[in-house]
Amino acid sequence: DAKTTQPNSMESNEEEPVHLPCNHSTISGTDYIHWYRQLPSQGPEYVIHGLTSNVNNRMASLAIAEDRKSSTLILHRATLRDAAVYYCILRAWYNNNDMRFGAGTRLTVKP
Amino acid sequence: GAVVSQHPSRVICKSGTSVKIECRSLDFQATTMFWYRQFPKKSLMLMATSNEGSKATYEQGVEKDKFLINHASLTLSTLTVTSAHPEDSSFYICSAQDAGGPTSNTEAFFGQGTRLTVV
Repeated sequence: DAKTTQPNSMESNEEEPVHLPCNHSTISGTDYIHWYRQLPSQGPEYVIHGLTSNVNNRMASLAIAEDRKSSTLILHRATLRDAAVYYCILRAWYNNNDMRFGAGTRLTVKP
Repeated sequence: GAVVSQHPSRVICKSGTSVKIECRSLDFQATTMFWYRQFPKKSLMLMATSNEGSKATYEQGVEKDKFLINHASLTLSTLTVTSAHPEDSSFYICSAQDAGGPTSNTEAFFGQGTRLTVV
């Protein structure tokens, strides 16, 4: 499986934008880039995913580098409820589409 | 959005007993479900992939006789921890994917997790 690399932790102030980076230099052409987050004592929840173009939804934006070797999850206005561990995952159409989690980035939001 | 229900959310059992955890997709059919375990402050570790109507595929190092997985229908998968020991205490999480599309381009849905404590 293609591997992703994320910073262990990041801090943000409430109501400010947050940019969470992810490196995936060995990504293949058919890998989708998925982001999930996990709040304390809960299962992960879907945030966003994309292939080549930047994506926006009600939760966040996903900016994908032109060479696809990195991506950035953007939370436009961080709230205290956004404090979580954020996981960047590559999903291939083959390999039974399993989902393997890396260490993720623990986001702390300060009031 | 789609919902995956995992039950129980918390269970305490005695050493040597077995515990069954259920994972249900409530409003979609899930051909494939995934089971994970998570230790405190650690990431999720994939234990096995469960396909409806066939045997589960276990990750290396996961004992299939210890962690029995059954995926009898498109909406239900179960994980049974047999002869539980204190080292099996962990947070267990299931995930399901809607069978209706290419899974790499589809979001996965997760249960709320089961915290197992073996005493």
